[in-house]
Amino acid sequence: GAVVSQHPSRVICKSGTSVKIECRSLDFQATTMFWYRQFPKQSLMLMATSNEGSKATYEQGVEKDKFLINHASLTLSTLTVTSAHPEDSSFYICSADLRRGAFYEQYFGPGTRLTVT
Amino acid sequence: QKEVEQDPGPLSVPEGAIVSLNCTYSNSAFQYFMWYRQYSRKGPELLMYTYSSGNKEDGRFTAQVDKSSKYISLFIRDSQPSDSATYLCAMSDYGNQFYFGTGTSLTVIP
Repeated sequence: GAVVSQHPSRVICKSGTSVKIECRSLDFQATTMFWYRQFPKQSLMLMATSNEGSKATYEQGVEKDKFLINHASLTLSTLTVTSAHPEDSSFYICSADLRRGAFYEQYFGPGTRLTVT
Repeated sequence: QKEVEQDPGPLSVPEGAIVSLNCTYSNSAFQYFMWYRQYSRKGPELLMYTYSSGNKEDGRFTAQVDKSSKYISLFIRDSQPSDSATYLCAMSDYGNQFYFGTGTSLTVIP
């Protein structure tokens, strides 16, 4: 149980185009989904937190107009990188929270490697 | 000061060794503690979780929490080359805001 999928796993796009990444919780409903970015050999960097049906909360320094997040249902969140540039090339990982009793656990997707040429 | 501190390593051990991975934290409100394993170019995988001081064992893995010292550990017994990965600690209070360590890179040499 508690499986999170991401699609696509890898994408190459040209500079100036937009790319959409999907994150789905397959066997549970998630109140909150999180989007992270990770550079090689570096830690996870939280980009934004999204709750179903409401606007995402972005971390400081993350451009909300560039990284559009839509959380349409309790099992699906999407991240759209708009007008992508080579510096947006990175590993993007989503996660979803699952409540267990008094606490929440966070389950991660397998990640999406974005390369902007 | 960061909420969660974790030595990034890298840590290199021979196969069969006991590995000790540690994190310290500053927020006494943290009640829930997790360890994730992340293989290269993959998303983190939840390994273990615990919400009380003491030890929790799962196979070759033991998670230890000392709330009085604000210190958590993950021990790996009889380490295998397949354990080579980055290990991240994470913690939360009763909400769904998580605080992650930077991760420790582990290599187990055959």
